Amino acid sequence: EIVLTQSPATLSLSPGDRATLSCRASQSVRSSLAWYQQKPGQAPRLLIYDASNRAAGIPARFSGSGSGTDFTLTINSLEPEDFAVYYCHQRYSWPLPFGPGTKVEIK
Amino acid sequence: DVQLVESGGGLVQPGGSLRLSCAASGFAFNNYWMTWVRQAPGKVVEWVANIKGDGSAEYYVESVKGRFTISRDNAQKSLYLQMDSLRVEDTAVYYCVRDTYYGSGSYYGDYWGQGTLVTVSS
Repeated sequence: EIVLTQSPATLSLSPGDRATLSCRASQSVRSSLAWYQQKPGQAPRLLIYDASNRAAGIPARFSGSGSGTDFTLTINSLEPEDFAVYYCHQRYSWPLPFGPGTKVEIK
Repeated sequence: DVQLVESGGGLVQPGGSLRLSCAASGFAFNNYWMTWVRQAPGKVVEWVANIKGDGSAEYYVESVKGRFTISRDNAQKSLYLQMDSLRVEDTAVYYCVRDTYYGSGSYYGDYWGQGTLVTVSS
């Protein structure tokens, strides 16, 4: 069973900063990895699929990279609405776990 | 517009049963894998189960195998989750999610319902 870990657990940044979030899989998931954003009281929203492709309607400041076991979500120039929790999620093999999340908070 | 509306959550005692429903609209329901995902209060997101468009395949996370059953009625455009032998640790918001094939060999949950809260407590 594949296990996902995310780092850091919390990222304290200011609007305009760049955020770099990491997700590591316990074994290769090739490029079958997604990133989700979740705000309080809301369902998660798909940001990135296949490790590096932006979902429909997602701003260009969000970008994903990586393959195999190491993945990165980068948010360039944080906007106030970007402060949220971000989860990675592998779709390579069942079961399909999510990572524990990274909270991006305002510094 | 794609819409997913869950219902059926509530308070149930340990060992009890509950059936969640998800009403889908705005897309060709029978062409999509559908998924249930849950999130305990203040906790991480957990994939629970999913089912193929024609209902011919289904998968579960180990912790619910033998207790939960996912099913669908394509004529009614509805997804279900029958939950039996409920435990305190099943307490969570349960989301209905549409899985879309993005042409790369993988499916991703692109539309989510608003969720329904299941509380298992005595």
